[in-house]
Amino acid sequence: DTAVSQTPKYLVTQMGNDKSIKCEQNLGHDTMYWYKQDSKKFLKIMFSYNNKELIINETVPNRFSPKSPDKAHLNLHINSLELGDSAVYFCASSQEAPDTDTQYFGPGTRLTVL
Amino acid sequence: AQSVTQLGSHVSVSEGALVLLRCNYSSSVPPYLFWYVQYPNQGLQLLLKYTSAATLVKGINGFEAEFKKSETSFHLTKPSAHMSDAAEYFCAVSEGGSQGNLIFGKGTKLSVKP
Repeated sequence: DTAVSQTPKYLVTQMGNDKSIKCEQNLGHDTMYWYKQDSKKFLKIMFSYNNKELIINETVPNRFSPKSPDKAHLNLHINSLELGDSAVYFCASSQEAPDTDTQYFGPGTRLTVL
Repeated sequence: AQSVTQLGSHVSVSEGALVLLRCNYSSSVPPYLFWYVQYPNQGLQLLLKYTSAATLVKGINGFEAEFKKSETSFHLTKPSAHMSDAAEYFCAVSEGGSQGNLIFGKGTKLSVKP
């Protein structure tokens, strides 16, 4: 009964390809997030979705697009992959008040672009 | 703008010794503060959080942190290190509310020597 799950766990692909990473949460949370962790372990938020609305969108290239088919899923689509996209991507979710700030993380997807 | 500074990218202690991981924050509003732990090849797990209640916060695995507004600090401590505590530790800050945006520090890698 994993709370936040991501697939795949590892993704190796060539430059220029398009790929997707899936995220699902079974916590009943209303907000989901995507983070990127670079090779130096630095974590930075990419997107968050609340009730199918994008509420945070940092300076992320438009090659990255989050898609939420329903409240329990937030998938990350990446077009025209570049070497610099190699990183670990984490999905997370949080609930409405009173515990809006505690985010629960998935296990991560390690993306390697060759 | 919010920011988090973790002093020391790598801390090494002996088993049984005190663990002290430092975190300083800056925020224009009363912050919510978090410590997350990341074990090798795993996702982030919440250790503890401060949300303006008690300034001394107790978390899982014997860790605790004290919020000191005058020092803008939220250092993480554990009286006696265990080998299983070896991991990467991240401090994070949020302004709170339903659009919570976690800003992470760069992480501190904790090594525990036998």
